[in-house]
Amino acid sequence: GAVVSQHPSRVICKSGTSVKIECRSLDFQATTMFWYRQFPKQSLMLMATSNEGSKATYEQGVEKDKFLINHASLTLSTLTVTSAHPEDSSFYICSARTGVTEAFFGQGTRLTVV
Amino acid sequence: GQNIDQPTEMTATEGAIVQINCTYQTSGFNGLFWYQQHAGEAPTFLSYNVLDGLEEKGRFSSFLSRSKGYSYLLLKELQMKDSASYLCAVMDSNYQLIWGAGTKLIIKP
Repeated sequence: GAVVSQHPSRVICKSGTSVKIECRSLDFQATTMFWYRQFPKQSLMLMATSNEGSKATYEQGVEKDKFLINHASLTLSTLTVTSAHPEDSSFYICSARTGVTEAFFGQGTRLTVV
Repeated sequence: GQNIDQPTEMTATEGAIVQINCTYQTSGFNGLFWYQQHAGEAPTFLSYNVLDGLEEKGRFSSFLSRSKGYSYLLLKELQMKDSASYLCAVMDSNYQLIWGAGTKLIIKP
């Protein structure tokens, strides 16, 4: 099946710094990638939809200037959390679409801001 | 509005069978997904139903009734490693996934 690789799996950063998370589709081309955030014991919350070569579409309530998404190629999308604060600490997950079905997730990134 | 309902938590015994239900109300329907998520890990794909009926895949089966807005995930011969959260998600008319809150399944020896 399709493989989506997300890196890093865990990151700890200081408040005020920026963190970049990479999401790569290893054996297929993903025209659309999705970025989710998940708080403990809660379901996935869609943050944005990223289309290759165009600006990401953000969900209501998600700050586009804080969560920068770049989808420069058909195999790579990045999420940069800028000026991170402790409340940004969360589990961030990307997924990539193959055709209609969206079935493949990255491993997730546990971000802790101290 | 769009809504996905599934039980918050279920408990079952090792070796038994458990059925996790999911009901949905969405704007359009382009398929229903079940995912398994172990604590601290990303979800993994279990099944995709777009037509009515039962799809069987090893110990796991998924059923869909579009007219009733209803699906269930059936897990047979439960193993301790099946302890996880099971997420139901529906793809709406815009091909966006609408997620349920997940059902935490606890398996007891």
